[in-house]
Amino acid sequence: QVQLQESGPGLVKPSETLSLTCTVSGGSISGYYWTWIRQPPGKGLEWIGHIYYSGINKSNPSLKSRVTISGDTSKNQISLKLTSVTAADTAVYYCARDGLGDPTIYDSWGQGTLVTVSS
Amino acid sequence: SSELTQDPAVSVALGQTVRITCQGDSLRIYFATWFQQKPGQAPVLVIYGRNNRPSGIPDRFSGSTSGSTASLTITGAQAEDEADYYCHSRDRSENHMIFGGGTKLTVL
Repeated sequence: QVQLQESGPGLVKPSETLSLTCTVSGGSISGYYWTWIRQPPGKGLEWIGHIYYSGINKSNPSLKSRVTISGDTSKNQISLKLTSVTAADTAVYYCARDGLGDPTIYDSWGQGTLVTVSS
Repeated sequence: SSELTQDPAVSVALGQTVRITCQGDSLRIYFATWFQQKPGQAPVLVIYGRNNRPSGIPDRFSGSTSGSTASLTITGAQAEDEADYYCHSRDRSENHMIFGGGTKLTVL
């Protein structure tokens, strides 16, 4: 059973860069789409972007210029960087894996990590 | 860009049937994926594709699509089904993915 664990700073200052890592255990990152999703407190889910293990990736047009998603097969990790953050980026950030070959079908999720943007 | 529209809240009496809908132009082309989320927990996949359930999801959950509307039906709702439900699909341009706004299901 694959397990995903998000990690990173819980507090980021406005205008700085949010950096999160998703560490995958119990399976390889190769052969799957890996997706970042966020959820502001009390609100709905927002798709941030995904990376296919080969390096091809897509991101939400509303965030596109600020988002970088990358993968490290040697560490079995997926990373998210979001630049120039504001309070609107405060959210629980989840990483998720497609287990069925479709980039919208996430059968495995991390527990999520809360990131607060505040000075 | 495309959107997926869900009713913000729906209620159902215990043991009755409830349908949660998701409307969007992209659903004419792509299937919706459905997730259940309980407070303080990560979402859980409940329906994908035409009408497929991951192992461990009760068969009272089913999915369907008609035109631009996808539906998640719970036949014989249980107290533990009270949760937020989100639909998810591709944008028509296929450049990105989109979530519906979510439906809060209350089981009375």
